[in-house]
Amino acid sequence: QKEVEQNSGPLSVPEGAIASLNCTYSDRGSQSFFWYRQYSGKSPELIMFIYSNGDKEDGRFTAQLNKASQYVSLLIRDSQPSDSATYLCAVGGSQGNLIFGKGTKLSVKP
Amino acid sequence: SQTIHQWPATLVQPVGSPLSLECTVEGTSNPNLYWYRQAAGRGLQLLFYSVGIGQISSEVPQNLSASRPQDRQFILSSKKLLLSDSGFYLCAWSRRQGGGEQYFGPGTRLTVT
Repeated sequence: QKEVEQNSGPLSVPEGAIASLNCTYSDRGSQSFFWYRQYSGKSPELIMFIYSNGDKEDGRFTAQLNKASQYVSLLIRDSQPSDSATYLCAVGGSQGNLIFGKGTKLSVKP
Repeated sequence: SQTIHQWPATLVQPVGSPLSLECTVEGTSNPNLYWYRQAAGRGLQLLFYSVGIGQISSEVPQNLSASRPQDRQFILSSKKLLLSDSGFYLCAWSRRQGGGEQYFGPGTRLTVT
């Protein structure tokens, strides 16, 4: 069964620091990778997607993909209290669906 | 721009009662549509997905069913709710020919009592 693993956290970082969120996946054939942010009681919001090995930057967010290690990460620079949320990693399945991890809870302390 | 709607936002239903949750998408044509459930402390579980009108694939056997009567409408139903059906129900859409990113609606929080 295809799996996506994340550390549940909570991950606590001080305001202004870099938050590093990690995800591993089991299906070596996976081609697409996504990061969602979910505030408590709200629905997930897509913040990044990456298809190729290496880094992809968007503002304060950087997604990193290493297909050989089956590892994808999300870096949040200059973390703000408003970044406090649960971050879901998702991997594209063979039928166009997404397989989600259980999420990492991030807490940014002022 | 595209918008996805879900209703109702919250619902409290007794065990054994029927269920109907509705999802509609605006601003796009021929989307792929998905129903997920997120139970407390658990990950997102894909329940159904649809690539077109009347085309439904079920991922998990359960007492729920889904229908797609129109291109941009997706309905989740049950004839008799169980306590274990409680959770946060999310509808999502993706482009038919796209990179696979999915966009979620605001969700329906269902409590079965």
